[in-house]
Amino acid sequence: GNSVTQMEGPVTLSEEAFLTINCTYTATGYPSLFWYVQYPGEGLQLLLKATKADDKGSNKGFEATYRKETTSFHLEKGSVQVSDSAVYFCALRTNTGTASKLTFGTGTRLQVTL
Amino acid sequence: GAGVSQTPSNKVTEKGKYVELRCDPISGHTALYWYRQSLGQGPEFLIYFQGTGAADDSGLPNDRFFAVRPEGSVSTLKIQRTERGDSAVYLCASRPTPGAYEQYFGPGTRLTVT
Repeated sequence: GNSVTQMEGPVTLSEEAFLTINCTYTATGYPSLFWYVQYPGEGLQLLLKATKADDKGSNKGFEATYRKETTSFHLEKGSVQVSDSAVYFCALRTNTGTASKLTFGTGTRLQVTL
Repeated sequence: GAGVSQTPSNKVTEKGKYVELRCDPISGHTALYWYRQSLGQGPEFLIYFQGTGAADDSGLPNDRFFAVRPEGSVSTLKIQRTERGDSAVYLCASRPTPGAYEQYFGPGTRLTVT
């Protein structure tokens, strides 16, 4: 079956530090990959996506590259801000079948301090 | 425009009671999903509607759980004979068309079974 594994949190960084949150996946076929973010008190929001191997998704300074050879989709940001404090979820969607449901990792909490 | 809304935002019920959770998707979105998020976990798929019909209900944990979407818009998740293990945040998401990548999530209903 499909699964997503993310690094455990919490991750605590100082403002302007470099961020990496690791994500690896197991899937049949060729999934699309996503990072969702959940800010305190808010619903899940799509942060970025990549739909095929070697694609790079980017948004708000965050980037992730779809690496088929290592089945990974690590999230990176060069300089984090306090406002980036949130829970980040890696997810995949297989492009076969009718449901196109998302399979999520367990989430990684990021805390950025001044 | 209005996003996905869910009511109630919080529901506390006694073990054995029946509950209904409501989801109002974004207007015009044909696909609707229900997920369940337990504490410290990522969302887990429950059921998917395309229009009025449940296209995939493989995530429903047992026959105490049921969902409807009679007019292809609002959906209700129904849980009979609630158990303490049903306590979680129930998330609803909608997607504009089958081919669209992004699912738009509501804020969730936090269900607590005492």
